[in-house]
Amino acid sequence: GENVEQHPSTLSVQEGDSAVIKCTYSDSASNYFPWYKQELGKRPQLIIDIRSNVGEKKDQRIAVTLNKTAKHFSLHITETQPEDSAVYFCAASKNTNAGKSTFGDGTTLTVKP
Amino acid sequence: DADVTQTPRNRITKTGKRIMLECSQTKGHDRMYWYRQDPGLGLRLIYYSFDVKDINKGEISDGYSVSRQAQAKFSLSLESAIPNQTALYFCATSETGGLDEQFFGPGTRLTVL
Repeated sequence: GENVEQHPSTLSVQEGDSAVIKCTYSDSASNYFPWYKQELGKRPQLIIDIRSNVGEKKDQRIAVTLNKTAKHFSLHITETQPEDSAVYFCAASKNTNAGKSTFGDGTTLTVKP
Repeated sequence: DADVTQTPRNRITKTGKRIMLECSQTKGHDRMYWYRQDPGLGLRLIYYSFDVKDINKGEISDGYSVSRQAQAKFSLSLESAIPNQTALYFCATSETGGLDEQFFGPGTRLTVL
């Protein structure tokens, strides 16, 4: 089955700096890659996703890049703010088991004011 | 607003007891999922259901069972709870059609003594 590895497990940055979280996946048939943010004590919520027919997607301060050849994708957060502090999960899924995602282990991001 | 709800939100029980966690949704989604979250281990899929007559095991189904009572309701049971089932449990839903966002419930924190 699919295996998703996520790095780093913890990340601490100064407010205003950029943060990058990377994930690799094993199944070359995977074609949907969402990122979820989980604030302390809250439920995970989708912040951005990318499908395999594009290489990059941006939404204000966040962006996701996908390298299908290398089977990795990354989350980029620019101009970080304290409210970006949370646990971030990447995931991968494919058409043949549509909706059943495999999640990474999560990255705890701390933005220091 | 259409939402995903879980009951109870917190539960403390003893080893050997039978426990049921309930999930309801008003999103009109066909697909429902149960995950458990342990620190540093991300979200692991226990069971999933693509419609009322469809039940599938996830990666960690041993010790758990589910019931899809209606499109809107998906229950998770622990037949004989054990301490290593202490975790945060999330229900999630997604639309039929495949590669789409999952919407999570608020979570149930279960402690087995």
